[in-house]
Amino acid sequence: QSALTQPASVSGSPGQSITISCTGTSSDVGSYNLVSWYQHHPGKAPKLMIYEVTKRPSGVSNRFSGSKSGNTASLTISGLQAEDEADYYCCSYAPNSTFRVFGGGTKLTVL
Amino acid sequence: EVQLVQSGAEVKKAGESLKISCKGSGYSFASYWIGWVRQMPGKGLEWMGIFFPADSDTRYSPSFQGQVTISVDKSNSTAYLQWSSLQASDTAMYYCVCLGGTIDYWGQGTLVTVSS
Repeated sequence: QSALTQPASVSGSPGQSITISCTGTSSDVGSYNLVSWYQHHPGKAPKLMIYEVTKRPSGVSNRFSGSKSGNTASLTISGLQAEDEADYYCCSYAPNSTFRVFGGGTKLTVL
Repeated sequence: EVQLVQSGAEVKKAGESLKISCKGSGYSFASYWIGWVRQMPGKGLEWMGIFFPADSDTRYSPSFQGQVTISVDKSNSTAYLQWSSLQASDTAMYYCVCLGGTIDYWGQGTLVTVSS
């Protein structure tokens, strides 16, 4: 099972909005509304930001939103803040050996 | 509250064996798949394998088949990740993850450092 495809890096200035894409296939992202997004600071456990494509866990800012079209899911962060700088990973349910597949990760830089 | 608490950082030499642990609480441990994720220095997250405690069904990603062993002690709600002979390339952070259906729960990570 190949990893999902994410851009290696994105950047934006404080206050701006950015979108990170996550492209899979009709076997994973395209077939199931089970895409999650994680914020990851190295050395810490990944933090769940979005699950089931669009849902936010309690405590996550509403500046974070998710969507999906066809085989591509997206994470949008509006009103960028310095604290948003981190690595972001998408993860989809996949009917493979381990039931999950990750994206390669996207490094967000807040300029 | 679902919690996964992992064992502490390890420093080992190449060729040595190692078993790290992940203790689950706050949920029915036997009823959910539990897996391990690797993050090598400067690299992304990789699924290594998963284990279903209720029937011991074990599945490995192709890259990790034969390289590690995943096991569980149901009586202690603890999952393990084991190496019989470490290599320097095993240096990484390892996370355990409970596959909760729509939400997955993560341990805090165990840093494994292997010197050659």
